Amino acid sequence: SAVISQKPSRDICQRGTSLTIQCQVDSQVTMMFWYRQQPGQSLTLIATANQGSEATYESGFVIDKFPISRPNLTFSTLTVSNMSPEDSSIYLCSVGWRAGSYNEQFFGPGTRLTVL
Amino acid sequence: AQTVTQSQPEMSVQEAETVTLSCTYDTSESDYYLFWYKQPPSRQMILVIRQEAYKQQNATENRFSVNFQKAAKSFSLKISDSQLGDAAMYFCAYRNDNTDKLIFGTGTRLQVFP
Repeated sequence: SAVISQKPSRDICQRGTSLTIQCQVDSQVTMMFWYRQQPGQSLTLIATANQGSEATYESGFVIDKFPISRPNLTFSTLTVSNMSPEDSSIYLCSVGWRAGSYNEQFFGPGTRLTVL
Repeated sequence: AQTVTQSQPEMSVQEAETVTLSCTYDTSESDYYLFWYKQPPSRQMILVIRQEAYKQQNATENRFSVNFQKAAKSFSLKISDSQLGDAAMYFCAYRNDNTDKLIFGTGTRLQVFP
């Protein structure tokens, strides 16, 4: 397993500003992902954070809006840019390894973002 | 595209009783994995149980067990001897064998009454 921390745990931001969320893992991991959970909704994958290269984005998510960095195997950041109230969500980092025949993903505690 | 459907937005159960949460999925793949995650009010996603599609035997983890029906593409979660701490959102999730992406259902909110 892994201990995953996210900073900040919550924030209230003004429209048009940007927020960077950090994800730190206590051990080296192969995979890091960023998910969005809109109020009362399920989790949707934003992108896969690739170490040393550009992130891989899912349909509907673009780098200009959600730039992601992953400088090493234990750390990643997600920036929510030019925020609007529609960006109010919980943002979760998840990590995993290739463990035998399946990959188990572990999730961070999430960052609750409110945009006014 | 793969989809995961949870048709029960809310369920309730009496403490010590048994409850079953439903999940169906759609895929054309033959090799995949299925998961149940629990999300309490703390927001922390916790893996409850997982099932490999190639295994016919249903997975079991203490009070949690699944009924995996591959032909019917059904993956229900049974919670036995329900406890107050089981109250949470439960998400069913799918991942196929050649990708790391998890596809989640819409969730079922479980309430446990004393």
